[in-house]
Amino acid sequence: SAVISQKPSRDICQRGTSLTIQCQVDSQVTMMFWYRQQPGQSLTLIATANQGSEATYESGFVIDKFPISRPNLTFSTLTVSNMSPEDSSIYLCSGRQAQETQYFGPGTRLLVL
Amino acid sequence: AQTVTQSQPEMSVQEAETVTLSCTYDTSESDYYLFWYKQPPSRQMILVIRQEAYKQQNATENRFSVNFQKAAKSFSLKISDSQLGDAAMYFCAYRGYSGAGSYQLTFGKGTKLSVIP
Repeated sequence: SAVISQKPSRDICQRGTSLTIQCQVDSQVTMMFWYRQQPGQSLTLIATANQGSEATYESGFVIDKFPISRPNLTFSTLTVSNMSPEDSSIYLCSGRQAQETQYFGPGTRLLVL
Repeated sequence: AQTVTQSQPEMSVQEAETVTLSCTYDTSESDYYLFWYKQPPSRQMILVIRQEAYKQQNATENRFSVNFQKAAKSFSLKISDSQLGDAAMYFCAYRGYSGAGSYQLTFGKGTKLSVIP
């Protein structure tokens, strides 16, 4: 299994600012993903973080708003840019090795005022 | 596109009793993976159990077992001897074995399980 950590665990931000969330995996993983989850709701995939190339974004999510980096096989960052109250949510990082089970980080709870 | 349906938004069970959470899915693929994840109030998504579609035998993990009905596209989770720590949101998830759908999980909307002491 893989252990995934995220920083920060929570934050309160002002509208118009940006926040970068870090995700660290304790072992190399082929694939890394970023999800958004509203309280009490299911997970929505934002993008797949690709090592060394641009992330693959799902419908409704764009690079200018959610830039993602993945410099190596164990680390990724998600930035929430120019935040508004609608961006208040839980952001989860996830990773897996090939066809193995997908593991999740503990999430980052973001509140935008 | 694959879809996953959890028809029970909320369920409750008495401590030490057994509860079954239902999940159905829609796919045209023959090979795929199915998962149950648990998310307690702490938010950490934890894998409960995994089933490969090519395996006829139902997966079991201690008090957790599944009833996998491939023809019916049904994948229910049975929790035996329920404990207070089982209280959580449970998500059923699907992932294709190959092709475009093999790289991401498709989640159901979740079932919130309460355990009554």
